[in-house]
Amino acid sequence: EVQLVESGGGLVKPGGSLRLSCAASGFTFSTYSMNWVRQAPGRGLEWVSSINSGSSYIYYADSVKGRFTISRDNAKNSLYLQMNSLRDEDTAVYYCARDTYGDYHQDYWGQGTLVTVSS
Amino acid sequence: ETVMTQSPATLSVSPGERATLSCRASQSVSSNLAWYQQKPGQAPRLLIYGASTRATGIPARFSGSGSGTDFTLTISSLQSEDFAVYYCQQYNNWPPSTFGQGTKVEIK
Repeated sequence: EVQLVESGGGLVKPGGSLRLSCAASGFTFSTYSMNWVRQAPGRGLEWVSSINSGSSYIYYADSVKGRFTISRDNAKNSLYLQMNSLRDEDTAVYYCARDTYGDYHQDYWGQGTLVTVSS
Repeated sequence: ETVMTQSPATLSVSPGERATLSCRASQSVSSNLAWYQQKPGQAPRLLIYGASTRATGIPARFSGSGSGTDFTLTISSLQSEDFAVYYCQQYNNWPPSTFGQGTKVEIK
């Protein structure tokens, strides 16, 4: 069974940093591209970042470019999102999501971790 | 960036009735369009990809159609578990992939 479990969310002050993790199991993690997608309270879904299986292709939404860094450790079956210079508008539930093999939509999602940016 | 616009924002439907949800892209996305269902407090679930292919385990009452800029998700006979928010997503003009703002299907 495919499982994605996010952790690392919490309350942080504006300008602060946080590192999210996503532990993957039930599939060959090293062969899939992965994503972070977020959802602000009461709002819709926003794609944040993607990384391919070998970490050679990495993309970011303009809203986080230069502040967030996506990475992965295939030996540990884990995905990460380092978030720096956090702003109020980064407050959201952050989901880890797997791309369907060979495509660019997301077939499995974690339950999400809440990041709250507030003074 | 390709803007996805969903209509209506809210759809009130009685159980057993048909629901038709629309999604329009600001430029062609070919057939690279997915639909997701999200219930309160849960993660999104993939329903349809490639505009019309049901994901694994999705009931046949869910169907998708369209190509280019106009797409439709149809739920042929609404069940109680289908009341949720539905999002479309284009992944043709990527990055970024972009989502619509969602259509809430509520009980009439």
